[in-house]
Amino acid sequence: NAGVTQTPKFRILKIGQSMTLQCTQDMNHNYMYWYRQDPGMGLKLIYYSVGAGITDKGEVPNGYNVSRSTTEDFPLRLELAAPSQTSVYFCASSYGVTQYFGPGTRLTVL
Amino acid sequence: AQSVSQHNHHVILSEAASLELGCNYSYGGTVNLFWYVQYPGQHLQLLLKYFSGDPLVKGIKGFEAEFIKSKFSFNLRKPSVQWSDTAEYFCAVNAAGGGADGLTFGKGTHLIIQP
Repeated sequence: NAGVTQTPKFRILKIGQSMTLQCTQDMNHNYMYWYRQDPGMGLKLIYYSVGAGITDKGEVPNGYNVSRSTTEDFPLRLELAAPSQTSVYFCASSYGVTQYFGPGTRLTVL
Repeated sequence: AQSVSQHNHHVILSEAASLELGCNYSYGGTVNLFWYVQYPGQHLQLLLKYFSGDPLVKGIKGFEAEFIKSKFSFNLRKPSVQWSDTAEYFCAVNAAGGGADGLTFGKGTHLIIQP
């Protein structure tokens, strides 16, 4: 199993641009999550999903959108990138309580 | 809502020293507790977890943690650290029985082991 994979690994955006961060898991997990990690801070939950077609907001959802059309994929979309969205983004999945994390996407908005 | 406090933001130790990293949480109900480690340039990996039962849990790489309910604490310990333990350590919590609840993380402790 590849586990949780994320693409791209790095990206630089200009203010106002849009992009989609991809996340795929091959463990048939129902639950998937998006977190952001800022320097000196712990991870904060952006959005999560309990299954295909079901998503819900986390602690810091503003400026982001998600969709879950399949069990495997949980993309995160930034519509109008802002400097405050410069961060490292981690996707995670779980079957029960324990979450497994992907390698992250480092995003810089200039 | 839960919150997690990690008191030590930066810790520097010599090899073979003993380690204890503090973690306290705030939540009115029953919780699941986790320690994750992030090695330089890598993603988060689960070190250990506590759901119920024996409050002393053992994880990978010789780490252990003790859940003290009365103190709302879940401190991480290792009797003898190695240079390869240099990493960022995160304590995390979610509500027990919450199913898909996301994790609430502490700010992390940056541990540096000097050879």
